[in-house]
Amino acid sequence: QTVVTQEPAFSVSPGGTVILTCGLSSGSVSTSNYPSWYQQTPGQAPRTLIYGTNIRSSGVPDRFSGSILGNKAALTITGAQADDESDYYCLLYMGSGIVVFGGGTKLTVL
Amino acid sequence: QVQLVESGGDVVQPGRSLRLSCVASGFTFTIHGMHWVRQAPGKGLEWVAGIWYDGNNKYYIDPVKGRFTVSRDNSKKTLYLQMDSLRVEDTGVYYCVRESRSTVPKGRWFDPWGQGTLVTVSS
Repeated sequence: QTVVTQEPAFSVSPGGTVILTCGLSSGSVSTSNYPSWYQQTPGQAPRTLIYGTNIRSSGVPDRFSGSILGNKAALTITGAQADDESDYYCLLYMGSGIVVFGGGTKLTVL
Repeated sequence: QVQLVESGGDVVQPGRSLRLSCVASGFTFTIHGMHWVRQAPGKGLEWVAGIWYDGNNKYYIDPVKGRFTVSRDNSKKTLYLQMDSLRVEDTGVYYCVRESRSTVPKGRWFDPWGQGTLVTVSS
């Protein structure tokens, strides 16, 4: 059973930069996994931030960017703002119709 | 306006059944794969099931295989999730999501999301 790994929690100062990662328990993440990233605040449905590894969804500020760093997918927030405090999830396509979410990262901005 | 609206969530006892529905609007339903994603209280997102645009292929997470059935009625632009033999651990908010695709660059992702419907399994 493939597990998609994310940091459980992260903290960043306002205006700072943070890199959240999305890895595999076995193997490397590649563009063929079509990494996408979602932001969720309490009580709300998730919102798409990034798809196709590094494409920003419509209306997403350019302080959010996606990439592959080493053997993981990464979400970088440059110039973090208070309303970036949320849960962030990555999603990977594993083939054979199976998709897997990471466990999520709770981001605190303080 | 692209929209997904779920319904059917309820409080049920373990072992009982429930059917969730998701009505789509604002896009061509017949060309998109669709999925169900759930979120247990205080927990992360979990992909549950997916179905091809034409309903010919269906996929499930292991814990629901044999108990849940995903289906669609393209004439009604509606996605379904039949949930049988429900367990306490099936409790959560169930989201209907559209699979979006791009060719340049190649990508597949979930967007948009419905607002979710709450399923509570409890004795």
